Amino acid sequence: QKEVEQDPGPLSVPEGAIVSLNCTYSNSAFQYFMWYRQYSRKGPELLMYTYSSGNKEDGRFTAQVDKSSKYISLFIRDSQPSDSATYLCAFNRLAFGKGNQVVVIP
Amino acid sequence: GAVVSQHPSWVICKSGTSVKIECRSLDFQATTMFWYRQFPKQSLMLMATSNEGSKATYEQGVEKDKFLINHASLTLSTLTVTSAHPEDSSFYICSARDDGGWRMNTEAFFGQGTRLTVV
Repeated sequence: QKEVEQDPGPLSVPEGAIVSLNCTYSNSAFQYFMWYRQYSRKGPELLMYTYSSGNKEDGRFTAQVDKSSKYISLFIRDSQPSDSATYLCAFNRLAFGKGNQVVVIP
Repeated sequence: GAVVSQHPSWVICKSGTSVKIECRSLDFQATTMFWYRQFPKQSLMLMATSNEGSKATYEQGVEKDKFLINHASLTLSTLTVTSAHPEDSSFYICSARDDGGWRMNTEAFFGQGTRLTVV
């Protein structure tokens, strides 16, 4: 079983739709859960991080962690074309998902 | 916000030559920096953890004699790919952890990456 599983997509949505991304993980020792956004040919940019189960909101972004199911999610509300990027989940900064490419169509 | 500068952003070199990539934290001190590589459509793979004033810690399967890491100051770490070969062509990314970040395990910022092409 891979340590991190993330569907690479791509995921295309119309502008204004809700984007839903998720990752599963197998290592119960992971304590920190992060989502990064990476534009083409750029380094990743930290979007959100959390270290507990539950929801965390930041503007249009919501990160959700379910430690019991080893499952994390990122939701983007009212998606904009500028949200088009690859989103990577990360755990303790040591393990990354493959990234999920998101395309928001105007 | 905190900025990590990585240089060069891209480089093309001949097979057998060495290439040095720099990672600088511009407005914070970073005792710890991390080096990753990323192949197209693949996730980031941690190569090594760079510690100021001491030897780097390499992940399993990463050749320390091939990927030389030097972290001589609190704001600069370098990765040298020695005797580069075409299979070393990849996107190399560094990240730096802010020593002053109150969430010590999460205040890490990425450089913009270096695309290395070995011909």
